[in-house]
Amino acid sequence: DAGITQSPRHKVTETGTPVTLRCHQTENHRYMYWYRQDPGHGLRLIHYSYGVKDTDKGEVSDGYSVSRSKTEDFLLTLESATSSQTSVYFCAISTGNQPQHFGDGTRLSIL
Amino acid sequence: AQTVTQSQPEMSVQEAETVTLSCTYDTSENNYYLFWYKQPPSRQMILVIRQEAYKQQNATENRFSVNFQKAAKSFSLKISDSQLGDTAMYFCAFMKPNTGTASKLTFGTGTRLQVTL
Repeated sequence: DAGITQSPRHKVTETGTPVTLRCHQTENHRYMYWYRQDPGHGLRLIHYSYGVKDTDKGEVSDGYSVSRSKTEDFLLTLESATSSQTSVYFCAISTGNQPQHFGDGTRLSIL
Repeated sequence: AQTVTQSQPEMSVQEAETVTLSCTYDTSENNYYLFWYKQPPSRQMILVIRQEAYKQQNATENRFSVNFQKAAKSFSLKISDSQLGDTAMYFCAFMKPNTGTASKLTFGTGTRLQVTL
């Protein structure tokens, strides 16, 4: 398995609180991604990174921010969580044109 | 923008039988990659098979094979000799070649496959 660790695996929080999800890789891959998975939508790209401090928006970026200060870590932050952000979040990594490899996901519930 | 359509939300197949999952996509690109990912109840996303658009030969991985029809923009997955462990959600995904700012995947909505005894 590709060395990708997501933390936490599960989280329950309240509306309006800040939340940070962490993705850590040991593969030294250049590209990292955050997706959310919702029923009826498959996986949708939130943000991605193509290097340290280089990030860009995906198709569902509103309400999310990211940071990548080191090659191995990619953080996803919900500044003020809303119930619509209840979802399963996946981190992925890739290199070149190779397939993306995914972490085990974080189930986030916002009450 | 690319779109990926999986028109079969759920399918069922008996053990040892063959099943085909459908996927169509829309793009104006000539060069791209297509993938099938499997998501079992454990929630892991597992790569099943990949296809490069410039290759005419259909990809095969053991019991999994694809029927890639570039002109029709169709990319179906055939699972032969189905096993109980094949029970999962299957996602079709499209990727443009990497131009230096990452290779983003566009996913279909998935097909839930149940393998029965």
